[in-house]
Amino acid sequence: GQNIDQPTEMTATEGAIVQINCTYQTSGFNGLFWYQQHAGEAPTFLSYNVLDGLEEKGRFSSFLSRSKGYSYLLLKELQMKDSASYLCAPALNYGGSQGNLIFGKGTKLSVKP
Amino acid sequence: DSGVTQTPKHLITATGQRVTLRCSPRSGDLSVYWYQQSLDQGLQFLIQYYNGEERAKGNILERFSAQQFPDLHSELNLSSLELGDSALYFCASSPSGGGNNEQFFGPGTRLTVL
Repeated sequence: GQNIDQPTEMTATEGAIVQINCTYQTSGFNGLFWYQQHAGEAPTFLSYNVLDGLEEKGRFSSFLSRSKGYSYLLLKELQMKDSASYLCAPALNYGGSQGNLIFGKGTKLSVKP
Repeated sequence: DSGVTQTPKHLITATGQRVTLRCSPRSGDLSVYWYQQSLDQGLQFLIQYYNGEERAKGNILERFSAQQFPDLHSELNLSSLELGDSALYFCASSPSGGGNNEQFFGPGTRLTVL
């Protein structure tokens, strides 16, 4: 079966750094995506990791450990507009099911002044 | 703007009715995915089509069906609607069905069943 676990809510202060953790168990694994979703809007792509290690993209970084089934998203220099839900999504790879994403319930991040 | 379009934006209907949601993928994308997002369930994968053929099925009810047409647009049909079907329905597209393909999401259709 598929299982994704991430904290439900987090709060941080503007200008700070926050780390959102995600653990996963999936049948077949083909990398892990992070998406950002503002309330009532479409998810937008943040990052993709397929190999172990850290991928950095501006204020956002994402880390993956395949052996531990663990990933995190690191947000630096937080801004008010970063208040959103962050969705951890392993990509499956079994049979014909390549590329399907299984989304966690998301972590709702609130950034306070 | 992701380049994925969905119509209608909002839909209000009654229990027992049938509705059709439409999605046009980004130009050149062959794969279309449908997701349902309700408040307590998060984003649930329903079904994937690739170049007109069903590729994978997720948690899609038997009352729901989908298809992808030769011009690659897709429709999701929901029938015998229940109150619990009220949700945001997203369509996403990607260039192929590969696991390393980013999925681009449309703005969603908000379905309200009364």
